[in-house]
Amino acid sequence: NAGVTQTPKFQVLKTGQSMTLQCAQDMNHNSMYWYRQDPGMGLRLIYYSASEGTTDKGEVPNGYNVSRLNKREFSLRLESAAPSQTSVYFCASSTTSGDTGELFFGEGSRLTVL
Amino acid sequence: DAKTTQPPSMDCAEGRAANLPCNHSTISGNEYVYWYRQIHSQGPQYIIHGLKNNETNEMASLIITEDRKSSTLILPHATLRDTAVYYCIVRVARPDKLIFGTGTRLQVFP
Repeated sequence: NAGVTQTPKFQVLKTGQSMTLQCAQDMNHNSMYWYRQDPGMGLRLIYYSASEGTTDKGEVPNGYNVSRLNKREFSLRLESAAPSQTSVYFCASSTTSGDTGELFFGEGSRLTVL
Repeated sequence: DAKTTQPPSMDCAEGRAANLPCNHSTISGNEYVYWYRQIHSQGPQYIIHGLKNNETNEMASLIITEDRKSSTLILPHATLRDTAVYYCIVRVARPDKLIFGTGTRLQVFP
């Protein structure tokens, strides 16, 4: 059972380049999330999707777009990368919203923007 | 959103109980308290959660005060592998999301 899988695990970009982080879960979860974590900091919510076909902004959505492609997949896109977006990105999923579902996290994607 | 306050760091001797406090004075009646931990730079790992009553599982115990304004995570016999950052989080049900704070860095020493 793979759980939550993120790709790529490492990426280096130049300022202004674009890229998409992919996330897939095989646990049939309804809700999916993207967080970022800067050095020495806690996780900050970028976007989340409570169910297939819906997405909502979190704490720090600026500079990002997301797509809930289907129930399994939730992608995060940087249209024009900036050095301030250098961070570790975590995808997570959970069971039904409003309940006591545990969040399962991926191993993270380490992004450096030069 | 309800906020949590945790001490930035704590130490604990191996084999002793680690008691990690958390304040969440603005918690609403239907919001759960969750605890996660993060070892090195791995993805956070779920530990335990509760609403009103004390909870226990194979990893830890969660003690929530009667007024629900604070809670304590207890690792009964800390090991070196419990060295991690521990996050206390109040889960907002509508819309469903977890907002992390900066957590408590627990250092377990021999």
